[in-house]
Amino acid sequence: DTAVSQTPKYLVTQMGNDKSIKCEQNLGHDTMYWYKQDSKKFLKIMFSYNNKELIINETVPNRFSPKSPDKAHLNLHINSLELGDSAVYFCASRREGQGPGELFFGEGSRLTVL
Amino acid sequence: GQNIDQPTEMTATEGAIVQINCTYQTSGFNGLFWYQQHAGEAPTFLSYNVLDGLEEKGRFSSFLSRSKGYSYLLLKELQMKDSASYLCAVGDRGSTLGRLYFGRGTQLTVWP
Repeated sequence: DTAVSQTPKYLVTQMGNDKSIKCEQNLGHDTMYWYKQDSKKFLKIMFSYNNKELIINETVPNRFSPKSPDKAHLNLHINSLELGDSAVYFCASRREGQGPGELFFGEGSRLTVL
Repeated sequence: GQNIDQPTEMTATEGAIVQINCTYQTSGFNGLFWYQQHAGEAPTFLSYNVLDGLEEKGRFSSFLSRSKGYSYLLLKELQMKDSASYLCAVGDRGSTLGRLYFGRGTQLTVWP
């Protein structure tokens, strides 16, 4: 069973379109994240949710709208896509209060905006 | 702000030992993490240090000096499969508000 799964794995779309990425974790973690990894492999936090509540919004343009219907799911909707949005988007989850609290990452969703 | 530095690339040969350094300056500190990321895959957790000293885990060890803002990851008996990017990351606080800040990664190539 995959611990953190995201779909789709690949997205190719035109500038100006709207797209969504879905994420699910079956680890029972309370906190979920979206990270963006650019072409230089820099992994940067975008959002975090704890029990469906937005906790961190790391100055991401409001074209990006996360939604957490329940604590096992965190989706990312992107409006009016731009060339600079091309990147790999990683979903991650984290257990709070036990152990080091490492992140468990999904396999990533590679978005290419043409 | 947050600043995490690590070398961009390193090379080594099979069977050798390699040390990947990481220096950091962050506004808070709640532990230093090392992750491994193979090309086209997700980062996977390798190690965690919150107190000064060395943590050993099989062929991999990680060291932390909080006063110097310095860590290293030591890989022994290198294998071809160790070719990957190694990411240093710092947690800024131990709560749901905590963020994990990543360095840009060190691309390690292991030659036969």
